[in-house]
Amino acid sequence: SAVISQKPSRDICQRGTSLTIQCQVDSQVTMMFWYRQQPGQSLTLIATANQGSEATYESGFVIDKFPISRPNLTFSTLTVSNMSPEDSSIYLCSATSGTRDQYFGPGTRLLVL
Amino acid sequence: SQQGEEDPQALSIQEGENATMNCSYKTSINNLQWYRQNSGRGLVHLILIRSNEREKHSGRLRVTLDTSKKSSSLLITASRAADTASYFCATVPPTGGGNKLTFGTGTQLKVEL
Repeated sequence: SAVISQKPSRDICQRGTSLTIQCQVDSQVTMMFWYRQQPGQSLTLIATANQGSEATYESGFVIDKFPISRPNLTFSTLTVSNMSPEDSSIYLCSATSGTRDQYFGPGTRLLVL
Repeated sequence: SQQGEEDPQALSIQEGENATMNCSYKTSINNLQWYRQNSGRGLVHLILIRSNEREKHSGRLRVTLDTSKKSSSLLITASRAADTASYFCATVPPTGGGNKLTFGTGTQLKVEL
């Protein structure tokens, strides 16, 4: 199994600002993903973080709003840009190594005022 | 949306009773996974069942899969207060669709002493 950490664990931000969330895996993984969980809702996939190339975004999510980096096989960042109160959510990263079991980080709880 | 449905949305039982949660999905799958989430924190992977499997056990957990009905169920036997959490099913598309998870709407389980 993989152990995943995220920083920060929570933050309160002002609208119009940006926040970068870091995701660190304790071992090399094939695939990393970013999910959003709005209050009281289920998880929605934002994008697949591709190592060394641009992320693959799901419908409704765009690179300008959620730029993602993945410089190596164990690390990725998600930036939430030009935030509004509607961006208040829990953001979770996950990783898998082809065994099909997907492991999740503890999440970053974001509140935008 | 490809999101599946789970029912019930909420379930309250007494400690020692069994809890059954159901999940329905819309498209073909490679596998279906169940996750637990405590109080809006990170997800914990519980069990994975492949599309060619019909039933799987792990400790007090029993998962069934009916691909003809596009449905799955999670049974927790002899429930404990510590089982109180939200439970989500998630599907993985057939080979070639990547390891992207599509989550169901979730069931909130409360186990009372």
